[in-house]
Amino acid sequence: DTEVTQTPKHLVMGMTNKKSLKCEQHMGHRAMYWYKQKAKKPPELMFVYSYEKLSINESVPSRFSPECPNSSLLNLHLHALQPEDSALYLCASSQDQGHEQYFGPGTRLTVT
Amino acid sequence: AQSVTQLGSHVSVSEGALVLLRCNYSSSVPPYLFWYVQYPNQGLQLLLKYTSAATLVKGINGFEAEFKKSETSFHLTKPSAHMSDAAEYFCAVSRSGGSNYKLTFGKGTLLTVNP
Repeated sequence: DTEVTQTPKHLVMGMTNKKSLKCEQHMGHRAMYWYKQKAKKPPELMFVYSYEKLSINESVPSRFSPECPNSSLLNLHLHALQPEDSALYLCASSQDQGHEQYFGPGTRLTVT
Repeated sequence: AQSVTQLGSHVSVSEGALVLLRCNYSSSVPPYLFWYVQYPNQGLQLLLKYTSAATLVKGINGFEAEFKKSETSFHLTKPSAHMSDAAEYFCAVSRSGGSNYKLTFGKGTLLTVNP
């Protein structure tokens, strides 16, 4: 099973709201990732967790806050977002850093 | 540093025709190379990977790719296109080993299949 699940599928939030995106995998993978994808563009890496520790933060604004509660779960907490943050947010996991990544279906985020 | 160049942002083929999507990479160390497909409003699905074993790699849905070190290329092919192959395709490179893993994507190629 190579499934990564993400909830919610769609999210609309105002600029003052606080919301969270969730990602889950049960493949025993030890690396998990958050990407942001704008229309007709490739995914842009935001964060990498390796063995539940944050290993890469691609200079993402602090209004995005990642959390890895355990080896199967990855959250992305959102607060005070801007309209330009509207995008598809993709979660991925891999056996370890350097191995192929498996992507979830994404959360379509709209900031109003 | 590593990078990927996908030649052609849009490729159009007829159903049953050969599909050829081009990818050239740049990497200072032996690379790992991947092809992903993305259907509208979906995540990315791994088609195939090259990780320094056989240079001809077979993937899902009848796709294959050949790693050519001398040409720094990893082109994706399929002998006969099907309507269901219409999607966005991304080539990606990562470095083998290393602690700061990063997957670098090309800009993508949109494949359309005409009946």
